[in-house]
Amino acid sequence: DADVTQTPRNRITKTGKRIMLECSQTKGHDRMYWYRQDPGLGLQLIYYSFDVKDINKGEISDGYSVSRQAQAKFSLSLESAIPNQTALYFCATSLGDRANGELFFGEGSRLTVL
Amino acid sequence: QQPVQSPQAVILREGEDAVINCSSSKALYSVHWYRQKHGEAPVFLMILLKGGEQKGHDKISASFNEKKQQSSLYLTASQLSYSGTYFCGTAGSSNTGKLIFGQGTTLQVKP
Repeated sequence: DADVTQTPRNRITKTGKRIMLECSQTKGHDRMYWYRQDPGLGLQLIYYSFDVKDINKGEISDGYSVSRQAQAKFSLSLESAIPNQTALYFCATSLGDRANGELFFGEGSRLTVL
Repeated sequence: QQPVQSPQAVILREGEDAVINCSSSKALYSVHWYRQKHGEAPVFLMILLKGGEQKGHDKISASFNEKKQQSSLYLTASQLSYSGTYFCGTAGSSNTGKLIFGQGTTLQVKP
C-alpha cells in the first residue's frame, strides 16, 4: 500500500459543485501539503500544515479550503468548483525542514470541472 | 518568484550527459530536485542546502551556487529510465512551506 493515499484518483464534476479531495498517510509525518499541477506550470502550493493545529495558505489558496482532521489526514475542498480548477492535485508529506524537507507525494487526484 | 529552469526540453541518446539549470532572482536557502515520469507522482532526487549540506541520490549529482542563486543537476551516462520531467524547487528559508517550483525540464532519453 502507498504511504500517501489520495481519494478519489479521478473525479469529474460540474461547475458550482462542492468537491473534497482526501489524503491520508502512514509515514508518521507532521507536515502535509496540497499542490496543484497544470501543464507547463510546475507544482503550485495551495495549503500546507505543519501539525494538526497549524494551517497555512500557499501560493494559490483562493477558492480552496483545507481541514487537518488528524496527523494522518489532510483534506482539500473546493466549495464551488469552477472550470479553471481543472487540474491534477497532489498531496505530499515531509518529516521536517533542512535536509529532512524531502517531499513524499501521493499518486495524485485528477479533477475535471465541466 | 518562480525559479527559471533551462533548457525547457532536451533529447539525448543513452549514455550521453545532460545538465539542467535552475535560477532564482532571490537569495536561496535550499534547492530541491524532483523527477516526474508521465502519469506518476514526482519523486525526490536531491536537496542542497546553503552552506554545503546535501542529501540525495548516489547516482545523481548537483551543485548549488549560493552567490549566483543557481543550481545545476548533472545527469551522466543517461539511461532510458532517466526520461521524465525534472523540477527544481527553491526556498529562501528552511520553511518547506515556502518551496516554489520551476516550470520543469522535459528529458527524453532514446536508445
